[in-house]
Amino acid sequence: AQSVSQHNHHVILSEAASLELGCNYSYGGTVNLFWYVQYPGQHLQLLLKYFSGDPLVKGIKGFEAEFIKSKFSFNLRKPSVQWSDTAEYFCAASNSGTYKYIFGTGTRLKVLA
Amino acid sequence: DTGVSQDPRHKITKRGQNVTFRCDPISEHNRLYWYRQTLGQGPEFLTYFQNEAQLEKSRLLSDRFSAERPKGSFSTLEIQRTEQGDSAMYLCASSGWKQGAPVKSTNEKLFFGSGTQLSVL
Repeated sequence: AQSVSQHNHHVILSEAASLELGCNYSYGGTVNLFWYVQYPGQHLQLLLKYFSGDPLVKGIKGFEAEFIKSKFSFNLRKPSVQWSDTAEYFCAASNSGTYKYIFGTGTRLKVLA
Repeated sequence: DTGVSQDPRHKITKRGQNVTFRCDPISEHNRLYWYRQTLGQGPEFLTYFQNEAQLEKSRLLSDRFSAERPKGSFSTLEIQRTEQGDSAMYLCASSGWKQGAPVKSTNEKLFFGSGTQLSVL
């Protein structure tokens, strides 16, 4: 069955620390991968996505993610977090050419000022 | 782009009652999704439509749940004979573009509404 796993449920960091959130997927075939973010009191919104090509993708607000096919992973990174990055982060996936998106359980990030 | 609208924002009901939620997607979008989210979990896929057609429905979804999108615009999600376990945030999202509009699949992303918070007492 298709699934997306996020192993870090809660992460607490100080400002300027580096961030890496794990995401693993279980899909057959070619996969599209996404990270969505939900800031407090706001809608879920897209942070970045991978469809094909360069496995290192850059998104908004200095976030990036690396697709490693051999590890079935799509980890999210940011070199230096800010207090405003406090949010919940969700990894999602779909099979290429389809539009059913499966989400992970999310990681709640708190950045201390 | 007026965003995805959901109504109501909150619904409190007694166990056994029927409830109906409405979602108005972004007007240019041809795909509409329903997800359910509980505390500490990610959005759980329920169903999605492409225009009027319901293309997929989660196998985990009870027969008490039904969704419609009769004219390919707004959608309704009905839960019959509600149970306490149905308490959750019900999210609607839309994506894609109406037929004829030029778009690349790599532009695909979901636009979410604010959700309807259901509490079953």
